[in-house]
Amino acid sequence: EAGVTQFPSHSVIEKGQTVTLRCDPISGHDNLYWYRRVMGKEIKFLLHFVKESKQDESGMPNNRFLAERTGGTYSTLKVQPAELEDSGVYFCASSQITGASYGYTFGSGTRLTVV
Amino acid sequence: DQQVKQNSPSLSVQEGRISILNCDYTNSMFDYFLWYKKYPAEGPTFLISISSIKDKNEDGRFTVFLNKSAKHLSLHIVPSQPGDSAVYFCAATRTARSNTGNQFYFGTGTSLTVIP
Repeated sequence: EAGVTQFPSHSVIEKGQTVTLRCDPISGHDNLYWYRRVMGKEIKFLLHFVKESKQDESGMPNNRFLAERTGGTYSTLKVQPAELEDSGVYFCASSQITGASYGYTFGSGTRLTVV
Repeated sequence: DQQVKQNSPSLSVQEGRISILNCDYTNSMFDYFLWYKKYPAEGPTFLISISSIKDKNEDGRFTVFLNKSAKHLSLHIVPSQPGDSAVYFCAATRTARSNTGNQFYFGTGTSLTVIP
């Protein structure tokens, strides 16, 4: 089966611009997660979708971040306007089962650099 | 406030010897723990996990030990191989909250280098 796909793999934008990251989960996985790793720090939770619904968005840093999951398939994460501190690697992950302690499958991430 | 901590940013081990990676957590509500392995330019991949009802779980060369009273877990790799060189992340979650999914809390990672 195809894995979790993220694009772009890299994005360099200027402060104040808008960037949209995309994630295609494994087909059939209802759960989709976004995480972020700022350089040298921990991988931090941003939000969790179950199908098209936001189950938990407690990790979203502020209202400059907007996540959507159209029709319960792929998801986008938009940052508008981007700030320097938004730089980092954004990981998407998906899993089939809700509420269970299974490891997710992660994508390879989008490295965002805001200059 | 970081709830999962990996205090060693890096570790070097000779091939064939044991690698021990450590992780501490602060939240006593965590009841499931995982280790992920990450190569450069790739996403983390699931390696091994352990439930809080156990104190040890073994999978081939990888063993995870859990000490709940100390809120400490460790990953042992024996024998270590050059292909094990990667960044290892410890993660923890609380599974009791059904139907809300599982937010994982990750540590900062330990970069393991296995020297041939």
